[in-house]
Amino acid sequence: GQSLEQPSEVTAVEGAIVQINCTYQTSGFYGLSWYQQHDGGAPTFLSYNALDGLEETGRFSSFLSRSDSYGYLLLQELQMKDSASYFCAVRDSTGGFKTIFGAGTRLFVKA
Amino acid sequence: GAGVSQSPSNKVTEKGKDVELRCDPISGHTALYWYRQSLGQGLEFLIYFQGNSAPDKSGLPSDRFSAERTGGSVSTLTIQRTQQEDSAVYLCASSLDGAGGQPQHFGDGTRLSIL
Repeated sequence: GQSLEQPSEVTAVEGAIVQINCTYQTSGFYGLSWYQQHDGGAPTFLSYNALDGLEETGRFSSFLSRSDSYGYLLLQELQMKDSASYFCAVRDSTGGFKTIFGAGTRLFVKA
Repeated sequence: GAGVSQSPSNKVTEKGKDVELRCDPISGHTALYWYRQSLGQGLEFLIYFQGNSAPDKSGLPSDRFSAERTGGSVSTLTIQRTQQEDSAVYLCASSLDGAGGQPQHFGDGTRLSIL
């Protein structure tokens, strides 16, 4: 089967660093992506990892370990506007290349 | 347009009626995706189109759901004989192509409420 697990909620203070973990199980793997979604808004793409290692984009970084079927999103210098839901997603390379999303991690940033 | 456009933005209908949801992807994007999201939940994959073809329709919840894409552009998702459990936000996304690393650009969704 295909599944992704991520924590349901994370709380952190403004200016801090937070890590959101994601473990996945898929029959075929074609990369791990991260999306951000504010309440009432559409998901927006943050990052993508196809190979092991760290990808950095400004305050956000994403890491992948294919041998561990694990990845994480790292948010630095947290701002209030980072309060949102964060979803990891995998592209399954078998069959129709469907995209499977995790249930999402709700991040609360406190002043 | 500059982004993915979905219509209607909201739809309220009675149980048993048919509904049709429309998605206009970003111009030039060959890949198009439909998802369903219930309140506070993750995105449930429904179907993926590469051009006008859908390689995998197994994500559609039941035979009441169907989708098509014509001209490699606009897509419609049709739900027949709607049920209350169909109430959700239906999101459409498009990407430049179907490669795994291509970001999916989402529309604002259609909020469907079945009375």
